[in-house]
Amino acid sequence: DTEVTQTPKHLVMGMTNKKSLKCEQHMGHRAMYWYKQKAKKPPELMFVYSYEKLSINESVPSRFSPECPNSSLLNLHLHALQPEDSALYLCASSQERLAGVREQYFGPGTRLTVT
Amino acid sequence: AQSVTQPDIHITVSEGASLELRCNYSYGATPYLFWYVQSPGQGLQLLLKYFSGDTLVQGIKGFEAEFKRSQSSFNLRKPSVHWSDAAEYFCAVGGGILTGGGNKLTFGTGTQLKVEL
Repeated sequence: DTEVTQTPKHLVMGMTNKKSLKCEQHMGHRAMYWYKQKAKKPPELMFVYSYEKLSINESVPSRFSPECPNSSLLNLHLHALQPEDSALYLCASSQERLAGVREQYFGPGTRLTVT
Repeated sequence: AQSVTQPDIHITVSEGASLELRCNYSYGATPYLFWYVQSPGQGLQLLLKYFSGDTLVQGIKGFEAEFKRSQSSFNLRKPSVHWSDAAEYFCAVGGGILTGGGNKLTFGTGTQLKVEL
């Protein structure tokens, strides 16, 4: 099973709202990722978690707050977003191997619209 | 720094025709290379990967890719395209293990494939 699930599929929120995106995988992967993807562009890495610890924050604004409550779950908390934050948010996971890079498996994404 | 170039933004092929999508990478060490496909509004699906060994790799949906170190290329091919192959295709290179764990993919800008019936 190589499935990563994300909820919700679509989200519309105002600039003063607080919402959360959720991601789950049951492949035993210990690295999880959040990406942002604008239309007609490749995904941009936002955050990397390894063994539930934040490994990389790619200079993402503090209005995005990631959380990894356990090895299967990854959340992205959203607060006071701007219209330019509207995008497809993708979650991914991969095995952790000291010897090299592993492939990442992506979820279907959450389409976020900020009004 | 690693980088990936996909020279073709759009490609149109007829159904049943062969397909080749180009990918060139820049990376100082042995690259880890991937091809992903994305249908509109969907996530990315892994088509195939190259880590080492045989330079011709087979993937899902009848796709294959050939790693050519001398040309820094990893082109994706399919002998006969189906209408359902219409999608965005991304080539990516993996740049090694991050200090804190996990690994970072660098994506190309993508090639939009249109299939004419």
